[in-house]
Amino acid sequence: DVKVTQSSRYLVKRTGEKVFLECVQDMDHENMFWYRQDPGLGLRLIYFSYDVKMKEKGDIPEGYSVSREKKERFSLILESASTNQTSMYLCAIGPPGGVFRGYTFGSGTRLTVV
Amino acid sequence: AQSVAQPEDQVNVAEGNPLTVKCTYSVSGNPYLFWYVQYPNRGLQFLLKYITGDNLVKGSYGFEAEFNKSQTSFHLKKPSALVSDSALYFCAVSLPGSGNTGKLIFGQGTTLQVKP
Repeated sequence: DVKVTQSSRYLVKRTGEKVFLECVQDMDHENMFWYRQDPGLGLRLIYFSYDVKMKEKGDIPEGYSVSREKKERFSLILESASTNQTSMYLCAIGPPGGVFRGYTFGSGTRLTVV
Repeated sequence: AQSVAQPEDQVNVAEGNPLTVKCTYSVSGNPYLFWYVQYPNRGLQFLLKYITGDNLVKGSYGFEAEFNKSQTSFHLKKPSALVSDSALYFCAVSLPGSGNTGKLIFGQGTTLQVKP
């Protein structure tokens, strides 16, 4: 099974800071996703990538960008953090064969913007 | 708009009793449906899926789910709840035609509380 590592469990950042959230997988899967999780809203897709240097916007991309320079690493970037980006951020990996085999999620990064 | 709804924020059951966590969806075409579980301070774990075939699908930890096309529902069930089943449960749908990228749309989540 693929292992998904999110670099930080908890982060506290100031408004206006540039924030990097890292997600690393230990296999060679193509599909990687960033979601944010908020109470009462479930998970909402921010961005996803289906290969190196390839990215597509999800449902709520505003205020975020992503980078995928290597297959195993997918970074979420908050260009100028704001308090409404305080949330739990979850990275997910989609195995070969697509969604049918079930995603693997990281443990999440709880970001607080003050 | 395509969506997934979990009408209950919280479900409370006594240990040993059957449990149901509800999910309905609104998607064009034939969707693929999933349940995920999130234990405290953990990421989501895949429980089960419906792709095609039998309407009753079985998954991990004794859970099962019933696909009902006419009611556009995919309720999660377990015959006998355990205290350790207490967690946050998410229903999700993958849109037809999304192919290998497999984008998932999630419901808002239901907290299951099983009391001893």
